[in-house]
Amino acid sequence: DTEVTQTPKHLVMGMTNKKSLKCEQHMGHRAMYWYKQKAKKPPELMFVYSYEKLSINESVPSRFSPECPNSSLLNLHLHALQPEDSALYLCASSQGQTSHEQYFGPGTRLTVT
Amino acid sequence: LAKTTQPISMDSYEGQEVNITCSHNNIATNDYITWYQQFPSQGPRFIIQGYKTKVTNEVASLFIPADRKSSTLSLPRVSLSDTAVYYCLVGESGTYKYIFGTGTRLKVLA
Repeated sequence: DTEVTQTPKHLVMGMTNKKSLKCEQHMGHRAMYWYKQKAKKPPELMFVYSYEKLSINESVPSRFSPECPNSSLLNLHLHALQPEDSALYLCASSQGQTSHEQYFGPGTRLTVT
Repeated sequence: LAKTTQPISMDSYEGQEVNITCSHNNIATNDYITWYQQFPSQGPRFIIQGYKTKVTNEVASLFIPADRKSSTLSLPRVSLSDTAVYYCLVGESGTYKYIFGTGTRLKVLA
């Protein structure tokens, strides 16, 4: 199984809502990532978890809160978002530091109203 | 962290070989070069990775000169389904930090 799944596919939320994005992989990968991608732009790295510990936080605002409950799951908790946070949120996983091959999920299209 | 530069867009015809070049002048000794393909509203898909010289797999070849300041992704005999954005990445050695380049929009014409 070389698939990374993400739910939901689409999400519309108001600026006062709290929602969560979910990501799952069953490839035994020990690194998991969150990226944000705006239209016609490259993906921007947000967070990296390595062995279930937060390894990289690219100065992401605190209204985005990542969580890695176990080695297969990655969540992104959203609270008090702004309209400019509307984007495609991509989850990815990789074997580890020696492999630069990341497997991406299909993304969650988020719209903040 | 090495910054990458790619052409914004390219057009090609079906059946032709396409070469996309990425410049990464500040690449570090232990950095690897990776290429991804992305279709609209999908996540990127790994194509190929290399460190130096030439790497080939079933879908592409990657050429890296000795100074490693650039790399070229070669797609043999493209088809309409190869129309996508192609990203070059340089991976920071010893970390999980990867920065996507601006990407090259390849359009394959019939």
